[in-house]
Amino acid sequence: RKEVEQDPGPFNVPEGATVAFNCTYSNSASQSFFWYRQDCRKEPKLLMSVYSSGNEDGRFTAQLNRASQYISLLIRDSKLSDSATYLCVVNKAGTDKLIFGTGTRLQVFP
Amino acid sequence: DAGVIQSPRHEVTEMGQEVTLRCKPISGHDYLFWYRQTMMRGLELLIYFNNNVPIDDSGMPEDRFSAKMPNASFSTLKIQPSEPRDSAVYFCASSLERRGTEAFFGQGTRLTVV
Repeated sequence: RKEVEQDPGPFNVPEGATVAFNCTYSNSASQSFFWYRQDCRKEPKLLMSVYSSGNEDGRFTAQLNRASQYISLLIRDSKLSDSATYLCVVNKAGTDKLIFGTGTRLQVFP
Repeated sequence: DAGVIQSPRHEVTEMGQEVTLRCKPISGHDYLFWYRQTMMRGLELLIYFNNNVPIDDSGMPEDRFSAKMPNASFSTLKIQPSEPRDSAVYFCASSLERRGTEAFFGQGTRLTVV
C-alpha cells in the first residue's frame, strides 16, 4: 500500500463549481499534513497546511479525519486559475520526511 | 531572498555520462531535500540533509546516485553513469524547521538521458 494515495483525476469542472479531493495515508502516527499545488512544468508550492480542527483560506477548506486517515480539500467557486495538480503531503511519522501523493489534476473550464 | 536556486534548468546527456545537479537552498534553512518526479511515480524523496549532514538516503535508487552538501549554501546530486531511466525532473527543496513547516522548492532540473 502506498504511504499517501490520491485519485489522479482529472476532475473537469465548470467555473463556479465546488470540487473536493480526498487523500488517504497509511501511517496513523503521521503528525503534519499539507496540500501543495503544482502548475504544469512548475515546482510544487504550498497551498495550505491541514490542522486537526480543519481550516479555511478563502475559497479553500482543508479537513483532517484521523480516525479514517484521510485529508480533504474543498474548493468553492472554482476559477480557471485553479487548474493545476493538487498534491497531498504527509509528514512521515518519526522523521522529517515529507511524503507526496502522486497528485490530483483539476481542470476548470469556462 | 531569491528562493531555492537549481542549476542547470535543463540537461540532455548521453547514456553513460556523469551528470551533476546543483542546488542553493534558502539562506538560514536547516533542511535540504532532493526529490525526483516522474509521471509514473510522482515525487519521490531521494535524500535529505539536516545542517549539511545526510540523514536519510534510503530513497536513492542505487549506487550510481550520490549527494553531497559541503556547506550550508550548496548541495549536489550526481549520477554516474547515467541511464535513460534516470530521465525525470529533479527538485531540490529546503525548509527552516523540522515537521510542520513547508518545504520551498526550486524550479527543478529537467534531465533527459538519451
